[in-house]
Amino acid sequence: NAGVTQTPKFQVLKTGQSMTLQCAQDMNHNSMYWYRQDPGMGLRLIYYSASEGTTDKGEVPNGYNVSRLNKREFSLRLESAAPSQTSVYFCASSKLDSSSPLHFGNGTRLTVT
Amino acid sequence: AQKITQTQPGMFVQEKEAVTLDCTYDTSDQSYGLFWYKQPSSGEMIFLIYQGSYDEQNATEGRYSLNFQKARKSANLVISASQLGDSAMYFCAMREFGNQFYFGTGTSLTVIP
Repeated sequence: NAGVTQTPKFQVLKTGQSMTLQCAQDMNHNSMYWYRQDPGMGLRLIYYSASEGTTDKGEVPNGYNVSRLNKREFSLRLESAAPSQTSVYFCASSKLDSSSPLHFGNGTRLTVT
Repeated sequence: AQKITQTQPGMFVQEKEAVTLDCTYDTSDQSYGLFWYKQPSSGEMIFLIYQGSYDEQNATEGRYSLNFQKARKSANLVISASQLGDSAMYFCAMREFGNQFYFGTGTSLTVIP
């Protein structure tokens, strides 16, 4: 079982460059999420998609866009990267059942110089 | 207001001893779920234990138990018989009706041999 697969694992960007983080899950989950993790701040929600065809902003959406391509895939795009976006990014998925936990990908470590 | 508060940035415990990691939450929903995750130094997020707001019994999973005090809005994680492999960051999270998951800032646990 692959679970949640994120690519790439590492990325270095220059300020102003763009990139897309890819995420796919094979657990038939309806909901998918993008979080960023910064030291001392826990995980903060960027965007989420409760079900295919819907996306909603989380706590820190500025500078990001998302696409729920289909039920399996949920991508995160940085249009013009800034040093403040240096972080570890996690994709996660879950069933709609309120007792279901988040299943995480292994994370993407992004550095913006 | 913070949805999830973890007031212990760092904790130390002697091997084979029990340790309690604190978590308080804030919600006006009647139905919600509480989760604990472990993040070892390798970076992956590992789901440990779940407690539903209507569950009358405290959740247990092996050496992990959740001390749920609904009136106090606390959901503390108890790890019994600590092992060296328990050294990690631990995150408390809450899922509300709207399918968003909120995370605390985490507690770094170090198990001392």
